[in-house]
Amino acid sequence: NAGVTQTPKFRVLKTGQSMTLLCAQDMNHEYMYWYRQDPGMGLRLIHYSVGEGTTAKGEVPDGYNVSRLKKQNFLLGLESAAPSQTSVYFCASSYLGLAGGSPQYFGPGTRLLVL
Amino acid sequence: QQPVQSPQAVILREGEDAVINCSSSKALYSVHWYRQKHGEAPVFLMILLKGGEQKGHEKISASFNEKKQQSSLYLTASQLSYSGTYFCGTESADSNYQLIWGAGTKLIIKP
Repeated sequence: NAGVTQTPKFRVLKTGQSMTLLCAQDMNHEYMYWYRQDPGMGLRLIHYSVGEGTTAKGEVPDGYNVSRLKKQNFLLGLESAAPSQTSVYFCASSYLGLAGGSPQYFGPGTRLLVL
Repeated sequence: QQPVQSPQAVILREGEDAVINCSSSKALYSVHWYRQKHGEAPVFLMILLKGGEQKGHEKISASFNEKKQQSSLYLTASQLSYSGTYFCGTESADSNYQLIWGAGTKLIIKP
């Protein structure tokens, strides 16, 4: 059981470049999340998904897009990277949503530097 | 609105106790506690649901006071492995099914 995995682990982009971050989970969880973590600010939700084929905006969705074509995968895309998107990105998954009291399981993170 | 965690940082000797607080200006449905070690992912500790219950996990326990809109995490007889940053995530009526996270409390345990 790998849990939640993320690729890549680290990436450097130039302003304006695009990239896709991949999150995969092998726990058969319905819910998946993308967060960004910046120093002193805790975690902020970018987008989330409540099941295959569904996505919804979180607290800070601007500049990002997501897709959940398969239940086990959740992709985060940056169409035109900006220095303000320099951050550590965490993917998480949970069996149920908040109402079900399910914990979220986090991947190891992707460190992104936009120059 | 982000919940407020206090203190921002605390340094303890091994064996000492610590209390970390998480306060919100909103009525809460639940409070989630996680620990994150440097360079690693957050790891789940416990969830406190509406109802004022207290939960325990080894020597770490937590309480949830709905009236005060506050949760406290208690670390008893701290061990070196407890070092890290502790985050609370809160769920309220207008958080739109999302957790809103505090800025974290950094805990350093010295031998």
